[in-house]
Amino acid sequence: QKEVEQNSGPLSVPEGAIASLNCTYSDRGSQSFFWYRQYSGKSPELIMFIYSNGDKEDGRFTAQLNKASQYVSLLIRDSQPSDSATYLCAVRGGKLIFGQGTELSVKP
Amino acid sequence: SQTIHQWPATLVQPVGSPLSLECTVEGTSNPNLYWYRQAAGRGLQLLFYSVGIGQISSEVPQNLSASRPQDRQFILSSKKLLLSDSGFYLCAWSLPGGYTFGSGTRLTVV
Repeated sequence: QKEVEQNSGPLSVPEGAIASLNCTYSDRGSQSFFWYRQYSGKSPELIMFIYSNGDKEDGRFTAQLNKASQYVSLLIRDSQPSDSATYLCAVRGGKLIFGQGTELSVKP
Repeated sequence: SQTIHQWPATLVQPVGSPLSLECTVEGTSNPNLYWYRQAAGRGLQLLFYSVGIGQISSEVPQNLSASRPQDRQFILSSKKLLLSDSGFYLCAWSLPGGYTFGSGTRLTVV
């Protein structure tokens, strides 16, 4: 079992819709959880982090964490074509471990 | 301000040639530094991390090595590159809110 798992996609949503990205992790001792956005050919950039169970909102982005289910998600409201990218889930217990990423395509 | 520099941006090297990639950080002292590699269409694989000068931990056995000769300098090296070493190499440092990445080096071994 991979330490951090994501659906590779591609996930395609129409402009203005909600995009839902999901991630599961295996280490129950994980303490912090991150979502990175990576445009093609570029390095990842941090968009959200969450430490506690529940929701955390930042603009159009909401991160959701359920430690009992070992599940973390990212919701993007009012999706824009500029949101088209690969979204990487990362989990830190000791080191930061990444999932393989989900490719999101927002169609105008 | 805190910044991380990585160079070169792209590199094409023949099989069997040596490699040296450099990463430097500014605006902080004693950072934890990391080297990741991303193969085409894949996630990020942690290669090495360092918590201080001369302190290197290796995550994946391979023909790569890392060194930290100065507090804010982290170097990734190889004596002889393999085709499988091709990829996108990223240096990162850890901050309380997560890791910040450099702009990366795209290495193609031919």
